[in-house]
Amino acid sequence: GENVEQHPSTLSVQEGDSAVIKCTYSDSASNYFPWYKQELGKGPQLIIDIRSNVGEKKDQRIAVTLNKTAKHFSLHITETQPEDSAVYFCAPGGGGGADGLTFGKGTHLIIQP
Amino acid sequence: NAGVTQTPKFQVLKTGQSMTLQCAQDMNHNSMYWYRQDPGMGLRLIYYSASEGTTDKGEVPNGYNVSRLNKREFSLRLESAAPSQTSVYFCASRLTGVNTEAFFGQGTRLTVV
Repeated sequence: GENVEQHPSTLSVQEGDSAVIKCTYSDSASNYFPWYKQELGKGPQLIIDIRSNVGEKKDQRIAVTLNKTAKHFSLHITETQPEDSAVYFCAPGGGGGADGLTFGKGTHLIIQP
Repeated sequence: NAGVTQTPKFQVLKTGQSMTLQCAQDMNHNSMYWYRQDPGMGLRLIYYSASEGTTDKGEVPNGYNVSRLNKREFSLRLESAAPSQTSVYFCASRLTGVNTEAFFGQGTRLTVV
């Protein structure tokens, strides 16, 4: 199965600064790279995803970049706001294996006022 | 459109008791999943069902059973609850295929005393 690692496990940034979370994976056949956001007391929700034929994707203040050679992809959040405080998960997949959906252990992002 | 609905939201069990967590989705998804979430451990896959009539073990299946009752419903059963099964449980679903967004329920907080 896919081995997924996320770093850092906790990230504290000042409001207005940028945040970057990195996800590494093991399956070189993976071709789908999503990021999920989990707010307190809720289930995770997709915020952005990228497929392997694209190196970068942006949606307003968030972006995802992909390095398939190095087998990692990153979530970038610019101009952070208090509502960005949450736990973020990556879940790379699409490698043709079983349908099980494997998540990283999560990154707790804290936005300091 | 309700999405993924889990019941109950909260439950307290005594060691050795049994219970079934219910999950239903109204998005006509083929694949459904059960996860448990513990502090520092991220989302760990318990069981999944790639289609009606099929189920497969995930990373942490011991102590659990599942039933894919029909396309909409996927239940998780604890036959003899143990304190180690104290956790937050999430159900998720997505369309067939691995390059698609997963939708999550709101979670069930289970405490075994």
